[in-house]
Amino acid sequence: KNEVEQSPQNLTAQEGEFITINCSYSVGISALHWLQQHPGGGIVSLFMLSSGKKKHGRLIATINIQEKHSSLHITASHPRDSAVYICAVTADSWGKLQFGAGTQVVVTP
Amino acid sequence: KAGVTQTPRYLIKTRGQQVTLSCSPISGHRSVSWYQQTPGQGLQFLFEYFSETQRNKGNFPGRFSGRQFSNSRSEMNVSTLELGDSALYLCASSLVVPRTQYFGPGTRLLVL
Repeated sequence: KNEVEQSPQNLTAQEGEFITINCSYSVGISALHWLQQHPGGGIVSLFMLSSGKKKHGRLIATINIQEKHSSLHITASHPRDSAVYICAVTADSWGKLQFGAGTQVVVTP
Repeated sequence: KAGVTQTPRYLIKTRGQQVTLSCSPISGHRSVSWYQQTPGQGLQFLFEYFSETQRNKGNFPGRFSGRQFSNSRSEMNVSTLELGDSALYLCASSLVVPRTQYFGPGTRLLVL
């Protein structure tokens, strides 16, 4: 069983819709990361958080340490948001990441 | 600042050969991590180096090894290649604080 579970696996939304991706983990963590991967492989780090909530543009990430759960929200989605979104956790103070399987997001015009 | 660079970008090898991949981190970043991505297993952690020392290692066989140089550049080596080693190999660099990971474009390895 993967220690980092993401849902849904796939998501299709119409432009402008609000999108939520969920991540649950079963280990103690020092930080949780949300990553974005576009076709071709390039990965961009969107957020790194250990508590509370962070916002960057139309993206919002929240984490509940007690419930071991995090969500990534995309407001007013746009076709350029189409990508794979990956949740990853670090259990120690170094950089060893454990990854979820990813959520494929497709936003249609 | 220049981003993380990886060379080569694409590589074709045959079973039994060995391969060396290179990663140059962002200037000032002393931590370099390596990851393997395959369609079946997704992203998996290989190892992390900081100040020329391996700090963490994932669950990979000893055929996978790495090192870091004094200028923080890192290499990973895979010996006796197997078909299952075909993957996208990504490296990422970070500061100690914060530990946001900056990923390189990856090296796509195909083993025939």
